[in-house]
Amino acid sequence: NAGVTQTPKFQVLKTGQSMTLQCAQDMNHNSMYWYRQDPGMGLRLIYYSASEGTTDKGEVPNGYNVSRLNKREFSLRLESAAPSQTSVYFCASSLANSPLHFGNGTRLTVT
Amino acid sequence: AQSVTQPDIHITVSEGASLELRCNYSYGATPYLFWYVQSPGQGLQLLLKYFSGDTLVQGIKGFEAEFKRSQSSFNLRKPSVHWSDAAEYFCAVAPGGNTPLVFGKGTRLSVIA
Repeated sequence: NAGVTQTPKFQVLKTGQSMTLQCAQDMNHNSMYWYRQDPGMGLRLIYYSASEGTTDKGEVPNGYNVSRLNKREFSLRLESAAPSQTSVYFCASSLANSPLHFGNGTRLTVT
Repeated sequence: AQSVTQPDIHITVSEGASLELRCNYSYGATPYLFWYVQSPGQGLQLLLKYFSGDTLVQGIKGFEAEFKRSQSSFNLRKPSVHWSDAAEYFCAVAPGGNTPLVFGKGTRLSVIA
């Protein structure tokens, strides 16, 4: 049982480059989330998808786009990476009002 | 504004000593409450949750938490800390409906011999 799988685990980008972080879950969860984690800031919500076909902005959506490709997959895209987007990114999934299940994270460095 | 506060950024305890990590929230109604733990380089793992009912909830790894409505608190406790408990701990609140979890900034726990 894989749970929530994120790829890649590590990535280094130059300022202005683009990339997509992939996330897939095999628990048949309706809701999926993208958080970023920065030292001393806890986890901050970037975007979430309460159900297939819907997406909503979270606390820090600027500079990101998302796609809920199907019920299993929820991708996060950086169109033009900036050093301020250096962070650890976590994908999570859940049923409504149930605990989140997290992936192991993607460590992104933008130089 | 709705918020979750973990007042302690870093706590150091001796192995075998008791532990209490504090969490306070500000929401109008009783939200759903969670504690997560994160080991270095890992994702977050659920320790325990409170939805309703008994205000003292038991979790994994010997942890428990007590919901106190009058204090808007959900403090995490463990009677005897093990070196393997060294990690970062996050309190989280789900305000209700389909509103996503809001996390506190975390408390880093160090355990010394």
